[in-house]
Amino acid sequence: GAGVSQSPRYKVAKRGQDVALRCDPISGHVSLFWYQQALGQGPEFLTYFQNEAQLDKSGLPSDRFFAERPEGSVSTLKIQRTQQEDSAVYLCASSAAAGGYEQFFGPGTRLTVL
Amino acid sequence: DQQVKQNSPSLSVQEGRISILNCDYTNSMFDYFLWYKKYPAEGPTFLISISSIKDKNEDGRFTVFLNKSAKHLSLHIVPSQPGDSAVYFCAASALSNTGKLIFGQGTTLQVKP
Repeated sequence: GAGVSQSPRYKVAKRGQDVALRCDPISGHVSLFWYQQALGQGPEFLTYFQNEAQLDKSGLPSDRFFAERPEGSVSTLKIQRTQQEDSAVYLCASSAAAGGYEQFFGPGTRLTVL
Repeated sequence: DQQVKQNSPSLSVQEGRISILNCDYTNSMFDYFLWYKKYPAEGPTFLISISSIKDKNEDGRFTVFLNKSAKHLSLHIVPSQPGDSAVYFCAASALSNTGKLIFGQGTTLQVKP
């Protein structure tokens, strides 16, 4: 398919474990965004990449959260020493243009921290 | 501080009738507004958008209205169909914000046959 894909779809981690979430954006899309969606809430912005450059990481909740997009395509969101409040759905979105408003979302990764 | 608010958590309408979903915002720097639709276990799907230089945009059964003075926008779906049942999110963005979207809390729409 030509859409945004994310893996794994579901992840259960014990508190204190590190996790890595993967996003494959639409091929050729310049912009990539990560969002966090808590239960019953709308998605909240975490970080933004334009190609391989991380231009905005103002939404990352703590220094335990780290994202990268080394070759300007696939991106990984890493959470170190997970805590229960990290439990959420993590959504990745891509856009064709730099800073593009119309973003195409992946299905998300549901993270549960026990 | 919620910059984008959807004050109605849920809405139920009869098939064939009009559905009106509302959204309010506080940041006057927002210059682009979008509506997304979300089914369970799927990511949000783009529906329709509007630039702040317009007050209306129409796409088939979906129309978005923007009232800048009131900082209010609404999504009209007419006629409503059972397949429209989903969670609808309003989102806003500003040119100065690298395109990141600020979402409302969502409204769950149920269209009854």
